[in-house]
Amino acid sequence: DGGITQSPKYLFRKEGQNVTLSCEQNLNHDAMYWYRQDPGQGLRLIYYSQIVNDFQKGDIAEGYSVSREKKESFPLTVTSAQKNPTAFYLCASSIEQLNQPQHFGDGTRLSIL
Amino acid sequence: AQTVTQSQPEMSVQEAETVTLSCTYDTSESDYYLFWYKQPPSRQMILVIRQEAYKQQNATENRFSVNFQKAAKSFSLKISDSQLGDAAMYFCAYADSGTYKYIFGTGTRLKVLA
Repeated sequence: DGGITQSPKYLFRKEGQNVTLSCEQNLNHDAMYWYRQDPGQGLRLIYYSQIVNDFQKGDIAEGYSVSREKKESFPLTVTSAQKNPTAFYLCASSIEQLNQPQHFGDGTRLSIL
Repeated sequence: AQTVTQSQPEMSVQEAETVTLSCTYDTSESDYYLFWYKQPPSRQMILVIRQEAYKQQNATENRFSVNFQKAAKSFSLKISDSQLGDAAMYFCAYADSGTYKYIFGTGTRLKVLA
C-alpha cells in the first residue's frame, strides 16, 4: 500500500546537535511539506517543496533546513540554531491539485535531552 | 495573508447527539478549497471532508456534513449521531490556489460523553 513513512517515531537531541528527520513517500506525489505541531497552535508550515531540487520557506523556517534530491524523499534537519525544537513534526504530501487533500505520515516526536 | 480561525478550543457532545464545530477564514481569492481533518490520540491526520469554493452545495460524508457560507467565509463541520470514536482534535484547513500551501486552524478538541 502507498503511503508516507516518517522515521524515527521518537528522537532526542542534545544541545548544539543537528538532527535529521526522515520522510519518504511512495504515492508519486509532487508536493511535500513539513509541519510543526505544538499544543494549542495547530500545524505550522516549516518548509514545502513542489518539485525536485526546489523548496520554499514556510512560516517558521528559521533553524531548519531541507533538501529534495529525490521525488520520494524530503528530509528535515533541525539545526542547533533552533532553540526550542521540542515538538511533534508531521510530514505530508499531495498531488498538485488543490481539490486533493494532503496525506500525512505518522509523525516524529522530537525532545531535548 | 490567508488565515484560518477556530474559535472553540474544546467542545463536548453526548453520544448519539449532534455537534457543530466552527471555522472561519480570511481570503481575497475566489477559487480555493477547504478541508476538515481529524487527529485522534494516535496523532494520525485523517481527512474527514472537503469542499470546493465554487460549489454551492454543502459536502456530506456519511455522518459528517459542512455548512459552507462563502460570503461569510464560514466553514462549519456538523457531526451527527456522535460516536465515542469521534473524540479527537479537528482541524480546519484552507488550500491556497496561488502557493499550494495549506493553512490550518488551531484545532478544536472534541470530547464525546458516554
